[in-house]
Amino acid sequence: QSVLTQPPSVSAAPGQKVTISCSGTSSYIGNNYVSWYQQLPGTAPKLLIYDNNNRPSGIPDRFSGSKSGTSATLGITGLQTGDEADYYCGTWDSSLSAWVFGGGTKLTVL
Amino acid sequence: QVQLVQSGAEVKKPGSSVKVSCKASGGTFSTYAISWVRQAPGQGLEWMGGIIPRFGTANYVQKFQGRVTITADKSTNTVYMDLNSLRSEDTALYYCARGRRYCSGGGCSPVDFYSYGMDVWGQGTTVTVSS
Repeated sequence: QSVLTQPPSVSAAPGQKVTISCSGTSSYIGNNYVSWYQQLPGTAPKLLIYDNNNRPSGIPDRFSGSKSGTSATLGITGLQTGDEADYYCGTWDSSLSAWVFGGGTKLTVL
Repeated sequence: QVQLVQSGAEVKKPGSSVKVSCKASGGTFSTYAISWVRQAPGQGLEWMGGIIPRFGTANYVQKFQGRVTITADKSTNTVYMDLNSLRSEDTALYYCARGRRYCSGGGCSPVDFYSYGMDVWGQGTTVTVSS
C-alpha cells in the first residue's frame, strides 16, 4: 500500500480536462517537492512535472502541476488519445529517508 | 544528453541472486544519484534505494535492507543492483533512474540528491524468479 494516495483511475473525453490528485502527510508532500511521471504502455516512466509545478523541456503546457499543503494535483487539458497512460506522483519522505510513489492513476481518454 | 542503458533480462531460481547493471553515457555520471525502482507485473512503482557514485554511499529502503546491494564503478560509469535470496515476489521490471539535481561542495546529504525527482530513466530489466 502506497503512502501517497491517488485515485486508481480517471477518464474523460478527447479535448476535455482532467485532474489527478495525490495526497499524503507533512513528512513527505508537506515538506518536499512533488514530481509527476507518465508511463505509457510498455515504456519506462517519464518525468512530467518536477518541483510541484515545473515542466521539463519538451513537455507541453497542457500538463500542469500544483501543490497545496499535503496534497498535489496534476492537470491535463486538451486531452488526446496519446495521453492514455499511468500517472504517478512521487516525493521524498523525510521520516523514512526514502523516495515514495503514489499507487498510480490510469487515465482513459474515451 | 545522458542515457542509461541497462543489462538484459534475467531468469533466476528462488533463493539465488541477480545483478543488474545500469551504464550511463553522454553526460556526467558520478555527480548525480542513481536510484533503482521496480515494478511488479500490473503494479505500481517502488523505490528500492540508490547510490551517489561520487561518494560511493548507498541508501536503501528498509524493506530491502540486507537483501539488496547497490554499487558504482566510476571507471565505467556503471551502477549495479544486486538482489539476493530471490523469491517469486521479486519478479518485476527493474529500472535505474538518475536524480534530477546534485549537491556540490561539503555538507551534502541524501535529501540533496534524491528529493528532487528522477529525470532520466533506463529502459528497464525484466527479472523473473521461477523454479
